[in-house]
Amino acid sequence: SQTIHQWPATLVQPVGSPLSLECTVEGTSNPNLYWYRQAAGRGLQLLFYSVGIGQISSEVPQNLSASRPQDRQFILSSKKLLLSDSGFYLCAWTQGLADEQYFGPGTRLTVT
Amino acid sequence: SQQGEEDPQALSIQEGENATMNCSYKTSINNLQWYRQNSGRGLVHLILIRSNEREKHSGRLRVTLDTSKKSSSLLITASRAADTASYFCATDRDDKIIFGKGTRLHILP
Repeated sequence: SQTIHQWPATLVQPVGSPLSLECTVEGTSNPNLYWYRQAAGRGLQLLFYSVGIGQISSEVPQNLSASRPQDRQFILSSKKLLLSDSGFYLCAWTQGLADEQYFGPGTRLTVT
Repeated sequence: SQQGEEDPQALSIQEGENATMNCSYKTSINNLQWYRQNSGRGLVHLILIRSNEREKHSGRLRVTLDTSKKSSSLLITASRAADTASYFCATDRDDKIIFGKGTRLHILP
């Protein structure tokens, strides 16, 4: 069966520090991968998605970047965090575009 | 930008009652999905209904889709305490899934 992992689960970082969040998927190949951010009590904002290794589409221009160095690995990064980067970050995968998405447990990021 | 929008934003009902949440969207879709999110957790897929379907059931869940009105509803029958969560509708747009802001459902004992 397929599983999706995210780490770390929680993170507290000072403003201006770098960020690296990792997401890996097991039990499937060539998944479509997604990064979302969820502000407190709000819906999900799509940040990036990837249909293959090295292929990244950005939905919202911002302080973040994403990379897909391996088929089942998706990384969200920032060189310098802003206070507004705080939130709940969720990784998800699908087999086909616009199919049901399977979410990881999320990373709670607090920028202080 | 937002595609689906849930209504109401929050809903409190007594355990055992039925809960109905609605979703409206703006552009044509191929499918509409409903997800549940428990506090501080990832989303869990509940049900997907395609544009050529009008109704779909899964256990205590019933989803309807009216493409002429661009709306969908999620009915949870015989609610339980464990149903307390946020519920999101999601629609496809340009091969992506766009989520609404969700309905927060609270089941009262």
